[in-house]
Amino acid sequence: KAGVTQTPRYLIKTRGQQVTLSCSPISGHRSVSWYQQTPGQGLQFLFEYFSETQRNKGNFPGRFSGRQFSNSRSEMNVSTLELGDSALYLCASSLGGTSLNNEQFFGPGTRLTVL
Amino acid sequence: DQQVKQNSPSLSVQEGRISILNCDYTNSMFDYFLWYKKYPAEGPTFLISISSIKDKNEDGRFTVFLNKSAKHLSLHIVPSQPGDSAVYFCAASAWGAGNQFYFGTGTSLTVIP
Repeated sequence: KAGVTQTPRYLIKTRGQQVTLSCSPISGHRSVSWYQQTPGQGLQFLFEYFSETQRNKGNFPGRFSGRQFSNSRSEMNVSTLELGDSALYLCASSLGGTSLNNEQFFGPGTRLTVL
Repeated sequence: DQQVKQNSPSLSVQEGRISILNCDYTNSMFDYFLWYKKYPAEGPTFLISISSIKDKNEDGRFTVFLNKSAKHLSLHIVPSQPGDSAVYFCAASAWGAGNQFYFGTGTSLTVIP
């Protein structure tokens, strides 16, 4: 069974630009969550999509947005990039139900560097 | 507001000894807890979980303990092996509150051969 894939793996952008990151979940998983990881901050939750709808949202500005397609693939977009957006962006998929055994499986991440 | 806290950024343990990683949480609604392990340049990998109806869950060398009254959980690794050297994250969620997981800041474990 293929794992979670994320593209691209590495990205370098300049301030003011916008970027789109892609995530393909494990087959059969309907929930996709996005996290930002920076040194000392752990994993900060961005948002979660389930069946093409944003179900949860973290405390990030509106420059961070996402969407999910009918095949559960998800994209995350960051507009007007700032230096502080440099981070590892992780995508995680899960079945997404309300059962307790609902582990998230992570992709390898996209390393974004903003210059 | 960090609802899940790992107050030890790093831990060093001799090979063969026990590693104990700690995690505290503030939200009493959390009822499902997980530990993830992360190697550099890879995404976190699920390790073990525990629901609030239990106080202990074991999987091979890994045991997670949950103390609900203290809002504290810990991960025990016995015996520790050099391959266990990684960053460990604890995470928590509240059933019925969607699929949102709150992660700690991680503890970097080094197992010395």
